[in-house]
Amino acid sequence: EILMTQSPATLSVAPGERATLSCRASHSVKTSLVWYQQKPGQAPRLLIYGASTRATGIPARFSGSGSGTEFTLTISSLQSEDFAVYYCQQYSSWPPPWTFGQGTKVEIK
Amino acid sequence: QVQLVESGGGLVKPGGSLRLSCADSGFTFSDQYMSWIRQAPGKGLEWVSYISRTGNSIYYADSVRGRFTISRDNAKKSLYLQMNSLRADDTAFYYCARGEGTLTSWGRGTLVIVSS
Repeated sequence: EILMTQSPATLSVAPGERATLSCRASHSVKTSLVWYQQKPGQAPRLLIYGASTRATGIPARFSGSGSGTEFTLTISSLQSEDFAVYYCQQYSSWPPPWTFGQGTKVEIK
Repeated sequence: QVQLVESGGGLVKPGGSLRLSCADSGFTFSDQYMSWIRQAPGKGLEWVSYISRTGNSIYYADSVRGRFTISRDNAKKSLYLQMNSLRADDTAFYYCARGEGTLTSWGRGTLVIVSS
């Protein structure tokens, strides 16, 4: 099973600042990596797939990069609605399991 | 707009059973790969099970294999999760989601509590 590790666990950022979230895979997942955003009481929402492609309707301030075992989600200028928990997930494994990181909480500084 | 709605959650005693359902209001359910994902309260996400469009390819997480059964009825545009031999560590919100690998749309979840 591929283990996904996210860092940091919590990131304190002021509105308007840049946030950089990291995700590491225990084995190469090439670019089979997605990012989700989850707000309290809500289901996760797809942000990025294929490591760097924004999903439909996702603002351009969200960007993903990386390949292999190291990945980054960048939020260029944090808006109030961006404070949430972010999860990475790999889908390189076939057959599944597809595994998630433990999440990074982005909170207001 | 695609909407997935889960139901069937509730309080069950250890060793008991529950059947979760997920109704898809979209037009193309039969074209969709589907999964169940769960999230223990205050914890992270765990993929539980996957079913292909026709149901002839099914996979489970090790933690539920042999106890849970995923199925679908394309005519009813519904996905199911039969959960048997439930344990306390199965307590979680259970989400259904569309997609194979990339989970593009999620329901709001249904809460399963396993407790005596």
